[in-house]
Amino acid sequence: SAVISQKPSRDICQRGTSLTIQCQVDSQVTMMFWYRQQPGQSLTLIATANQGSEATYESGFVIDKFPISRPNLTFSTLTVSNMSPEDSSIYLCSVERGALGTGELFFGEGSRLTVL
Amino acid sequence: GNSVTQMEGPVTLSEEAFLTINCTYTATGYPSLFWYVQYPGEGLQLLLKATKADDKGSNKGFEATYRKETTSFHLEKGSVQVSDSAVYFCALDTGRRALTFGSGTRLQVQP
Repeated sequence: SAVISQKPSRDICQRGTSLTIQCQVDSQVTMMFWYRQQPGQSLTLIATANQGSEATYESGFVIDKFPISRPNLTFSTLTVSNMSPEDSSIYLCSVERGALGTGELFFGEGSRLTVL
Repeated sequence: GNSVTQMEGPVTLSEEAFLTINCTYTATGYPSLFWYVQYPGEGLQLLLKATKADDKGSNKGFEATYRKETTSFHLEKGSVQVSDSAVYFCALDTGRRALTFGSGTRLQVQP
C-alpha cells in the first residue's frame, strides 16, 4: 500500500481567492492523479501529473483554473484558483501502485474545501 | 466514451441480509473493473478487482464477477454487518491508469 498525506484536510475559503493543496507520497511514483468529488457525487478526474512534464487535463478542466506542480516523484500540488462556491468539493490525490497498468489506485483522505 | 452506472442508494439492510449492488459499464476495449469503498470519515480504498472476463474478485466476504456478455460487475455479500456501512463505488480502467467511477451507492446496515 501507499501512504498519501494531503494538506490541508479541510478549509473554508472566500470567493475569488486561491488555495493550494499539497500531496505527499511515502515512496516514488511515476503518475499522480487529482480527482474532485462534489457533494453527493462521484469522483471526477481533473488531471494526471507526471514528474518533469506538464499535467494532462481532462475535458472540462483547464490549467488556468487548476494549475498543478509535480517537482519530484513523491510530491504534487493542485491549486484551485479564483474560487467560487461551485468549487466546494473534496479534492483527492491518488497514485498507482503495484504492477503497471493494473489501475489499482491509492487515495489520500482528501481535502474538503468550502467556498463562501 | 467510458461510463459506469450504479444502482442508486441508499440501500438499507438488516444485519446478516444478502447484499447486491448492481454495476454496469460502457467501455472501449477490455477494461479492468474495480469496487472501491469509502467508510465514514475515511479515504477511498480498493475493495476488490477483476482484470478480465469471468474473473471473480473477492475480499472481506464481498465478491464480484466480471461479466463481459452483460457488461456488468455486480457486488455481492452473503451476510452484511453493521461495519459494512459505507459508500461503494464501481470503477473501470481502460489502461489509461486513471479510473472512471460510478456515482456511488450508500449502504446502511441496521443492527
